[in-house]
Amino acid sequence: KQEVTQIPAALSVPEGENLVLNCSFTDSAIYNLQWFRQDPGKGLTSLLLIQSSQREQTSGRLNASLDKSSGRSTLYIAASQPGDSATYLCGAGTYKYIFGTGTRLKVLA
Amino acid sequence: GAGVSQSPSNKVTEKGKDVELRCDPISGHTALYWYRQSLGQGLEFLIYFQGNSAPDKSGLPSDRFSAERTGGSVSTLTIQRTQQEDSAVYLCASSSQGAGAGTEAFFGQGTRLTVV
Repeated sequence: KQEVTQIPAALSVPEGENLVLNCSFTDSAIYNLQWFRQDPGKGLTSLLLIQSSQREQTSGRLNASLDKSSGRSTLYIAASQPGDSATYLCGAGTYKYIFGTGTRLKVLA
Repeated sequence: GAGVSQSPSNKVTEKGKDVELRCDPISGHTALYWYRQSLGQGLEFLIYFQGNSAPDKSGLPSDRFSAERTGGSVSTLTIQRTQQEDSAVYLCASSSQGAGAGTEAFFGQGTRLTVV
């Protein structure tokens, strides 16, 4: 049974810092891994999708990596801004997604 | 529509009543998922539809919960005899072929269900 863990559960950083969010999964037989952000009271917004044959994906200030063999993915956010404040969720995909409980990020101005 | 649409956005119901939640996926998407998010918790998988295949209902918490998908498009999640512990945000997502094909999932804004 797939289990997904995200560390840290919460993070507070000053504006401008680079930061790393971690996601680990127990079953390496995934087809993809997707990172999302969730703002309070809202649905999930897709940030990056990494397919199983890929090692990383980049979009703007975001970079996500995937190491299937070790069951890990990281989301790197460069030069953080207050607008990045949200909960970040990773979903490990077989035919469905299993999610971690997220990292709640607060970027202080 | 451009994205996944869910209705209603908010629903308050009395304990014991039945409720129906609707999800309109992105046009052409064959995979549709329902998740539940309780306050401060992660996303709990409920049910998965893929094309004409039998749905994966393994996440439904009790037989009070059911879902259908008509014509491979719109889906309805029904909760019978609602209980207070059913209070949560119900999220729907769709993707063009399902996670197994490595395709991206898109979520709706959710339905916030409150059982009083």
